[in-house]
Amino acid sequence: ELKVEQNPLFLSMQEGKNYTIYCNYSTTSDRLYWYRQDPGKSLESLFVLLSNGAVKQEGRLMASLDTKARLSTLHITAAVHDLSATYFCAVDRHLGSASGSRLTFGEGTQLTVNP
Amino acid sequence: SQTIHQWPATLVQPVGSPLSLECTVEGTSNPNLYWYRQAAGRGLQLLFYSVGIGQISSEVPQNLSASRPQDRQFILSSKKLLLSDSGFYLCAWHGGYNEQFFGPGTRLTVL
Repeated sequence: ELKVEQNPLFLSMQEGKNYTIYCNYSTTSDRLYWYRQDPGKSLESLFVLLSNGAVKQEGRLMASLDTKARLSTLHITAAVHDLSATYFCAVDRHLGSASGSRLTFGEGTQLTVNP
Repeated sequence: SQTIHQWPATLVQPVGSPLSLECTVEGTSNPNLYWYRQAAGRGLQLLFYSVGIGQISSEVPQNLSASRPQDRQFILSSKKLLLSDSGFYLCAWHGGYNEQFFGPGTRLTVL
């Protein structure tokens, strides 16, 4: 059974600081997703990482994937209040085109950026 | 562009009542469709997925069922709701660039 663990689960940080959220998973996969969720809202896709060593950046967020270590990171640079949200990683148990993709989600990291 | 619709947006139902949540997708054909549930303060749990009309796979045993009567329609149902069925229900589809996109969700409260 695939398990996905995020840490920390809660993160309070000051504006302007840097921090990293970690996502570990238990079985082999080369597809990993990061999502953002604002309170009461649906999930917004941030990054799709499809190979070992993949790195993607958008604004103050950068995500990377190490499939050998079964680890993805989401790095926050110079945080701003607008980044306050819950961030989820999800690992794809892709079983072939006939079965489609199935995502297993971590529990989420609730990020609060304080002025 | 592709769009996912879900309705209703919110629903309050008594225990033992039936349920029908609907999801429709626009702008794509033969999508892989998914139903997830999110309990308060938790991550998402995959409930059902479908790779085509009439094809439903269940991930976990539960009080719910799913159907796909049309290519771009996915329905989540229950004959008798339980308190534990409360949550935020999200429909998703898997796009061609390996992205999975989520609908706006239905917040269900069972009293």
